[in-house]
Amino acid sequence: NAGVTQTPKFRVLKTGQSMTLLCAQDMNHEYMYWYRQDPGMGLRLIHYSVGEGTTAKGEVPDGYNVSRLKKQNFLLGLESAAPSQTSVYFCASRSDRFPSGNTIYFGEGSWLTVV
Amino acid sequence: DQQVKQNSPSLSVQEGRISILNCDYTNSMFDYFLWYKKYPAEGPTFLISISSIKDKNEDGRFTVFLNKSAKHLSLHIVPSQPGDSAVYFCAAITGGTSGTYKYIFGTGTRLKVLA
Repeated sequence: NAGVTQTPKFRVLKTGQSMTLLCAQDMNHEYMYWYRQDPGMGLRLIHYSVGEGTTAKGEVPDGYNVSRLKKQNFLLGLESAAPSQTSVYFCASRSDRFPSGNTIYFGEGSWLTVV
Repeated sequence: DQQVKQNSPSLSVQEGRISILNCDYTNSMFDYFLWYKKYPAEGPTFLISISSIKDKNEDGRFTVFLNKSAKHLSLHIVPSQPGDSAVYFCAAITGGTSGTYKYIFGTGTRLKVLA
């Protein structure tokens, strides 16, 4: 009953370091998303994917890159971490079927601190 | 420009009473609305949804009301229980092709149910 799994759950980075967050879903969902949550800002979309091999920019894509080489995985990369990227990151996925596809399912979050 | 607004950052309610969480939106093209609940250190989980063609949807203790003319959405929890204490996000979907649905999240309301 895994659903959407994110790794790592916690990470502290130094400014300028790079890292990759991994998201895996076992629901055979077509669509996957990366959000960040900051106090008073709600959930903001970073990048998303509508299927294997595709990616697209969301609301706040700068400083991030993504890849969807396999349908079940969606990777979020920080090439050169900045303190402004300190946040909680949530991966999500959803089906392309109607009407269940209107509901997106979230992972448990990854807490990233950039010092 | 915040298209989905939750103007109350927090709400406290006595156990057994009704909790009413509010959400306002600006885009009349939103065609589906959802509520998510989030506990600390966990990802948001889907709670209840409503299509824009309806004005009410009920699921157990949870009822969502939609007033399209006022562009207002509310979540009623009756009776409230201590386990309902969490952050509640409302979200709206605006369509395009199904793969490019945009989910717009509010900033969240922290509900505390007092025993």
